[in-house]
Amino acid sequence: NAGVTQTPKFRILKIGQSMTLQCTQDMNHNYMYWYRQDPGMGLKLIYYSVGAGITDKGEVPNGYNVSRSTTEDFPLRLELAAPSQTSVYFCASSLIGVNTEAFFGQGTRLTVV
Amino acid sequence: GDSVTQMEGPVTLSEEAFLTINCTYTATGYPSLFWYVQYPGEGLQLLLKATKADDKGSNKGFEATYRKETTSFHLEKGSVQVSDSAVYFCALPNSGAGSYQLTFGKGTKLSVIP
Repeated sequence: NAGVTQTPKFRILKIGQSMTLQCTQDMNHNYMYWYRQDPGMGLKLIYYSVGAGITDKGEVPNGYNVSRSTTEDFPLRLELAAPSQTSVYFCASSLIGVNTEAFFGQGTRLTVV
Repeated sequence: GDSVTQMEGPVTLSEEAFLTINCTYTATGYPSLFWYVQYPGEGLQLLLKATKADDKGSNKGFEATYRKETTSFHLEKGSVQVSDSAVYFCALPNSGAGSYQLTFGKGTKLSVIP
């Protein structure tokens, strides 16, 4: 049972480069989320989706974009990488919203230099 | 807005010691409350939850009781093990209209030494 799978696990980007963080889940969950985790700061919501074709901004969306063309996939796009985007990124999913258990991927550690 | 405050770490305990990690919250109404745990190199996973006042969530020897009078949800374990070394996050659902955000505390890192 794979759960939530994120790729890559690690990545180093140069300032101004672009990349896509991939996230897929096999639990048929409607809700998916992208968080970033900075040291000593907990997790901050970047974007979320309540179903295929529907996405919305979270607390810290600037510099990121998302799409949700299928129930399973929720990629996160960084268009012009900046050092402030150095962080650990987590994708998560839940069945019917945040009052139910959220399942997290293992994370992507991104460094922008 | 909704917020969670949990005790700052890091916390270092000897094996079999008693653990308490404090968590207090500010929220509209009576949301569900969660403790998530992050083991080294992994994503977060749900440890326990409580859905209403006076509920006690429990799992793997950990317990937390939803106290609406003190707006608290402290995490406790009677005898910690080395395998409990991890970062622990208290969390609650944001109650804002149309909001689907989990609000997390900053996390408390626990290290258990043999």
